[in-house]
Amino acid sequence: DGGITQSPKYLFRKEGQNVTLSCEQNLNHDAMYWYRQDPGQGLRLIYYSQIVNDFQKGDIAEGYSVSREKKESFPLTVTSAQKNPTAFYLCASRTAGDSGNTIYFGEGSWLTVV
Amino acid sequence: AQKITQTQPGMFVQEKEAVTLDCTYDTSDPSYGLFWYKQPSSGEMIFLIYQGSYDQQNATEGRYSLNFQKARKSANLVISASQLGDSAMYFCAMREVGWGYGNKLVFGAGTILRVKS
Repeated sequence: DGGITQSPKYLFRKEGQNVTLSCEQNLNHDAMYWYRQDPGQGLRLIYYSQIVNDFQKGDIAEGYSVSREKKESFPLTVTSAQKNPTAFYLCASRTAGDSGNTIYFGEGSWLTVV
Repeated sequence: AQKITQTQPGMFVQEKEAVTLDCTYDTSDPSYGLFWYKQPSSGEMIFLIYQGSYDQQNATEGRYSLNFQKARKSANLVISASQLGDSAMYFCAMREVGWGYGNKLVFGAGTILRVKS
């Protein structure tokens, strides 16, 4: 079935460690997005990418990094520079252009710093 | 600057009644799209409805309709005949097209809806 797969579902990180969240889609979508959601809050855009090998910072990119080496993959690294990384992370994708009005979301990854 | 504003942190509605969730937006781009999503406690994001900035008619999807007032930059979601299963967080989102590196997709802070029996 087509969709977006995020892994892991739950992740615990020690302070000072980098962790990478995986996002894979088999929808042949051009655009991919990473969002952070804190409990009871809205989604804040971390990074987004319209095409392979290119990506743009969102509103809260500090402490995060991404890569887009393949169309289907958009991994997010939460670095030790991110001071408060405990949150729910959502990956999304859509077809680029005006026709891309359907946005697909993964099931999310819960990251907890211990 | 805030792009999407949802002024209602929480709402209650009686089962079978209609409810309106407010959303205002800010953009200088003439071409944009507006979305509403539902997020139950499980965390998944469920697409509800879409409105393009050039669409002449308000979008409708089953019990959901979008009251699009372009001059006022508002895109309120109307849920008719509320059901207990409608209890969730609701997000308004906007896709901007055509500026610099387009297709940025931003969300509002959300409104928690609770349906009472």
